[in-house]
Amino acid sequence: LAKTTQPISMDSYEGQEVNITCSHNNIATNDYITWYQQFPSQGPRFIIQGYKTKVTNEVASLFIPADRKSSTLSLPRVSLSDTAVYYCLVGDPPGSARQLTFGSGTQLTVLP
Amino acid sequence: EAQVTQNPRYLITVTGKKLTVTCSQNMNHEYMSWYRQDPGLGLRQIYYSMNVEVTDKGDVPEGYKVSRKEKRNFPLILESPSPNQTSLYFCASLPNRNSYGYTFGSGTRLTIV
Repeated sequence: LAKTTQPISMDSYEGQEVNITCSHNNIATNDYITWYQQFPSQGPRFIIQGYKTKVTNEVASLFIPADRKSSTLSLPRVSLSDTAVYYCLVGDPPGSARQLTFGSGTQLTVLP
Repeated sequence: EAQVTQNPRYLITVTGKKLTVTCSQNMNHEYMSWYRQDPGLGLRQIYYSMNVEVTDKGDVPEGYKVSRKEKRNFPLILESPSPNQTSLYFCASLPNRNSYGYTFGSGTRLTIV
């Protein structure tokens, strides 16, 4: 599984757009990029997944450049409730049994 | 409500006393998995199951056992717990191996003294 590198922490203010970048230089051809959100004492929650270019859902957008060596999770107009740890994962096709290897994630703190 | 349910949520027990953490999902998911989460180490996979009676080791299986006799249940068994198994445990499920995004349980905080 490809190793990922994310910032350990980020601060933002309510109403701002937040972009969290994940580096994955060794991404393989078949690898997908998946992001999860985790609140304290809760299990991670799936946010978004993509393979290339841009993916958008009701929660976030995921930008993936052509070389796929990095990806950026974009959270529009964050609120205090978006304070959480965000994990970037890179791995086999969605259903692979060994897909999920979590790193340390990025602690996002949204300030009033 | 579609969910993964783990029990207990919290448990403090002593070294060597066998324990079982239960996991049940009501979504008819084929794939289930156990993870442990430790500070600075992220989530690490313990065991997973592709379907009934099909299980396999993850990255940190030592000291754990699992079974998948029914599709909805995937218990985690610690036959002889030790203090280094003190951790936060999560059960998760996927509809099938071609699916996106796990559904995780709320976690079990396990302390072995």
